[in-house]
Amino acid sequence: AQSVTQLDSQVPVFEEAPVELRCNYSSSVSVYLFWYVQYPNQGLQLLLKYLSGSTLVKGINGFEAEFNKSQTSFHLRKPSVHISDTAEYFCAVGNFGNEKLTFGTGTRLTIIP
Amino acid sequence: SAVISQKPSRDICQRGTSLTIQCQVDSQVTMMFWYRQQPGQSLTLIATANQGSEATYESGFVIDKFPISRPNLTFSTLTVSNMSPEDSSIYLCSVGQGSYGYTFGSGTRLTVV
Repeated sequence: AQSVTQLDSQVPVFEEAPVELRCNYSSSVSVYLFWYVQYPNQGLQLLLKYLSGSTLVKGINGFEAEFNKSQTSFHLRKPSVHISDTAEYFCAVGNFGNEKLTFGTGTRLTIIP
Repeated sequence: SAVISQKPSRDICQRGTSLTIQCQVDSQVTMMFWYRQQPGQSLTLIATANQGSEATYESGFVIDKFPISRPNLTFSTLTVSNMSPEDSSIYLCSVGQGSYGYTFGSGTRLTVV
């Protein structure tokens, strides 16, 4: 079985400040990982994904994430946030051979002007 | 990546009635997934729908309550039957496969009164 833990349900950040959204996963097999963003009243949009190779993954809108196998983490970062980054962010894990994604509980990012 | 058209985008329904949600994909896909996102919560997989076979339901979800059709490789429907206020959620369809990633529809916001 696989699971995802997003430790922070809400993260308020001042505009232009850096942010890190934390994600830890658990799985007995090799995994692939995603970060999705959900803007208010919209569906999910893929930010970035890790499959293999380089542990630092760059995504859209200036976001990046680092896969850390020893710490079973896949934290999302952005060096400078904007008002438009206000959204819910979901970390998700899947494993090779099982097509189902398991989602974390989400982190609501609020940008303070 | 695939583009999904999901409708209706929102609906308000009377308890005891049923609502059918449609998802149309712009390319042929093997697997389609249906998720529920209850207010303020994460995504929970309802079922996986493969063309030509019965949908596979996750624990806690049953076919009588959430019948699914998958008549071809580009279309699927989810019906929420005999609705109660507890069924008020966002319902999302998704397509994808493992490490290739997953695309989500824009969701159906259902309110049961």
